Amino acid sequence: SQQGEEDPQALSIQEGENATMNCSYKTSINNLQWYRQNSGRGLVHLILIRSNEREKHSGRLRVTLDTSKKSSSLLITASRAADTASYFCATDGSGNTPLVFGKGTRLSVIA
Amino acid sequence: GAVVSQHPSWVICKSGTSVKIECRSLDFQATTMFWYRQFPKQSLMLMATSNEGSKATYEQGVEKDKFLINHASLTLSTLTVTSAHPEDSSFYICSAKRTATDTQYFGPGTRLTVL
Repeated sequence: SQQGEEDPQALSIQEGENATMNCSYKTSINNLQWYRQNSGRGLVHLILIRSNEREKHSGRLRVTLDTSKKSSSLLITASRAADTASYFCATDGSGNTPLVFGKGTRLSVIA
Repeated sequence: GAVVSQHPSWVICKSGTSVKIECRSLDFQATTMFWYRQFPKQSLMLMATSNEGSKATYEQGVEKDKFLINHASLTLSTLTVTSAHPEDSSFYICSAKRTATDTQYFGPGTRLTVL
């Protein structure tokens, strides 16, 4: 089963603009992770934010987590054409529970 | 860093045949591995949880007799798609959870096309 929704489902922006993707989930979590997937390829892990953290940065990526609203956002600043991909959030419970993925956002960055 | 491999990376088979996909954790032990399926333009859907030395746990709607999972060692899990049909064509991705950590490592995926 999937945890919840990501919005928007698709996003098209110009190179240099910022891209914001949102993710909502339903159950309590241990951590939330964001992944990137180029068309037809495997997953690339971007960032992990733990349930007791509110914000995390990694290069041009900024992730926020609001556990009271059960939501997270991924901001990509100064986007590049190479950022074109699908982005998924995934939530992790405790122990040996699997990651549960959201539906994803397809980002297109136009040069 | 931890590496998970999958073999083959792609396979084309005729309808009715069986296909085996291997998932290996190359430099760590994984008591638990997961199998996901991804249809075009969709997200990853968990199929089953594979535990070393015991029976796999399947998600609702996934036929255990069609998707046979064997996790015979701490570094290898296999998924066999039996009597494959065109609707089984998909991208199959495995992941391995490093024992005693929260980190899940993903394989590069196997694209299955059933003609």
